[in-house]
Amino acid sequence: DGGITQSPKYLFRKEGQNVTLSCEQNLNHDAMYWYRQDPGQGLRLIYYSQIVNDFQKGDIAEGYSVSREKKESFPLTVTSAQKNPTAFYLCASSLHRDSGNTIYFGEGSWLTVV
Amino acid sequence: AQSVTQLDSQVPVFEEAPVELRCNYSSSVSVYLFWYVQYPNQGLQLLLKYLSGSTLVESINGFEAEFNKSQTSFHLRKPSVHISDTAEYFCAVSLAQGGSEKLVFGKGTKLTVNP
Repeated sequence: DGGITQSPKYLFRKEGQNVTLSCEQNLNHDAMYWYRQDPGQGLRLIYYSQIVNDFQKGDIAEGYSVSREKKESFPLTVTSAQKNPTAFYLCASSLHRDSGNTIYFGEGSWLTVV
Repeated sequence: AQSVTQLDSQVPVFEEAPVELRCNYSSSVSVYLFWYVQYPNQGLQLLLKYLSGSTLVESINGFEAEFNKSQTSFHLRKPSVHISDTAEYFCAVSLAQGGSEKLVFGKGTKLTVNP
């Protein structure tokens, strides 16, 4: 089945560690996104990528990094510089980054700092 | 820049009652409007969207939303809800311009359907 796969579903991180969240899509979509979701705050855009080897900062990029070496993959690294990383992270994709395109979401990854 | 306001953070209703989830947006130019639904511990799924044409759009599971340009609203309605409709609903807006435009989400409305 076509879709977006995020892993792991649950991840625990010690303070000071970097962690990487995986996102793979087999929808042949050009655009991919990472959102952060906190209770009562909706979704906030971290990074997005329109094509391979290109990505742009979203609204809350500080403390995060991404890469887009393959069309299917858009991993997110949460660095130790991110002050409050505990959240639900959602990866998404769309055919193109045109405004009318539907964005499709993965199942999400829970990151907890312990 | 565009913004979205979902007026109710939580909406409790009884099964088979009607429901309306309110969404207002602000933008000085034409917009596209979306409703997404999120079930517990899952990602978001598109429920319906307005791009152009008829201002009333419907989903396959009985929800509908009407684009009202004069009131800058895109309220979501269902005449009779089921227990399975319990979820969080997000309204989102993007500018109807060519090229890459950002999708902005509201803060969500938690719909709880009680027996």
